Amino acid sequence: NAGVTQTPKFQVLKTGQSMTLQCAQDMNHEYMSWYRQDPGMGLRLIHYSVGAGITDQGEVPNGYNVSRSTTEDFPLRLLSAAPSQTSVYFCASSIGGFGYNEQFFGPGTRLTVL
Amino acid sequence: AQKITQTQPGMFVQEKEAVTLDCTYDTSDPSYGLFWYKQPSSGEMIFLIYQGSYDQQNATEGRYSLNFQKARKSANLVISASQLGDSAMYFCAMREGGGYGQNFVFGPGTRLSVLP
Repeated sequence: NAGVTQTPKFQVLKTGQSMTLQCAQDMNHEYMSWYRQDPGMGLRLIHYSVGAGITDQGEVPNGYNVSRSTTEDFPLRLLSAAPSQTSVYFCASSIGGFGYNEQFFGPGTRLTVL
Repeated sequence: AQKITQTQPGMFVQEKEAVTLDCTYDTSDPSYGLFWYKQPSSGEMIFLIYQGSYDQQNATEGRYSLNFQKARKSANLVISASQLGDSAMYFCAMREGGGYGQNFVFGPGTRLSVLP
C-alpha cells in the first residue's frame, strides 16, 4: 500500500493564480481531510470529507474548494492564490466511525505564494 | 477558546532520561479521543499513541505512555529513556464525538531537543 500520497511536494505560485493540490489514499478510508500548518500554530483543518460526495468546512476554509467524487481522491483547489496561503499542506485519511481511528498523513505539500 | 493547549514551546532533555510533554484539552463532549503525533525535521506526521475518553487505563506504546487525568482534562505524553532520534515537534490532538464527521483539533506543538 502506498498510504496517503500528495502531489506536488513543492509549488510556487504568483498571487491570483489557481491550482489544485492532489491527495489520494489506497486504504479505502472514508474520512479524508486537509490541513495547513503554519509556524507556531500547529495544524488547522481546512476541509474534510466523510465519504464520496460529502464534504464540509473546517476551521479555515476561505479561499479553498474541495470535492470528493471517489473514495480514493480528495483534491484541494486554491481559487486565487494569496500570500497568506503560503503554508505546508497535509492531507490525511482515517477509517472514520466511533472510537480509535488514527489519521494517516501524507508527506505534505510546501506552497509558496509570491 | 483553545481546545488544545501545549504550554511548553520548547523542551530539552538529556539522552536516556525521561521527559513529560504537557497537553490540556477543553471539551464538553463525553466521547473523545486524544492523540499524540511526532513531526521530525523531515516534516512527516507520525502517530505515537491514542487514549479514548472511556479507556480505564493509561495508554502505552513502547517508550511512550500517556498520563491521562480526565478530571483535570490533561493528557501528558511521557517518553522514557530519551534517544537522540526523539528530537522533533510533538503535537497533541483531540477528536470529539463518536461518529462520522468529527474533526481533529491540534495543539501548537512542543519542540523537544534531546541532548547527548
